Amino acid sequence: DVKVTQSSRYLVKRTGEKVFLECVQDMDHENMFWYRQDPGLGLRLIYFSYDVKMKEKGDIPEGYSVSREKKERFSLILESASTNQTSMYLCASRALGAGGPYNEQFFGPGTRLTVL
Amino acid sequence: AQKVTQAQTEISVVEKEDVTLDCVYETRDTTYYLFWYKQPPSGELVFLIRRNSFDEQNEISGRYSWNFQKSTSSFNFTITASQVVDSAVYFCALSEAAGSGSARQLTFGSGTQLTVLP
Repeated sequence: DVKVTQSSRYLVKRTGEKVFLECVQDMDHENMFWYRQDPGLGLRLIYFSYDVKMKEKGDIPEGYSVSREKKERFSLILESASTNQTSMYLCASRALGAGGPYNEQFFGPGTRLTVL
Repeated sequence: AQKVTQAQTEISVVEKEDVTLDCVYETRDTTYYLFWYKQPPSGELVFLIRRNSFDEQNEISGRYSWNFQKSTSSFNFTITASQVVDSAVYFCALSEAAGSGSARQLTFGSGTQLTVLP
């Protein structure tokens, strides 16, 4: 069974703290994604990685960075957390192959981050 | 730029009713893919269907059906004989053609919260 796991379901941090959100997939997928989900806005892409050590900015990268040192793990880093980064963060992975970029993405359960 | 609109923010129905979730999209590409995902209260998005822009055939999977109409840029989702377990947020998403920088990402609509009452 395919699996994307995220390190925490709920996280509370203080303004200015450095925050690490971890995502691990066990499907040997090449692509991995970080989204944030806010009411009324749907999912917005923060960063994605199409392979190890490769990353590209999504629609809202400001205030975030990412790291992908191993194929199965994709980390989202908030260098200095701010209250406007309070949100639900979703990680996803996708295989390349016959469907290429049109294959479905598999999602983790999300991390609800609150920045006080 | 591509855009996906789900005008229905919330829908509430009584069990066994049919319900249709609307999705309207905008894209300049002739080749693209459309997706529907379900997000139950547990939070994890679940893939439901993918449809490419060259295949306008409607699709049925059990109680679920999808109506793709390029003429109106719509990809609507109908649940027949709804059940309480169908309660979730449903997202429509669009992926543009390979070759453009955005090909690797999905553009999501804002989602429709469906509540099925017993």
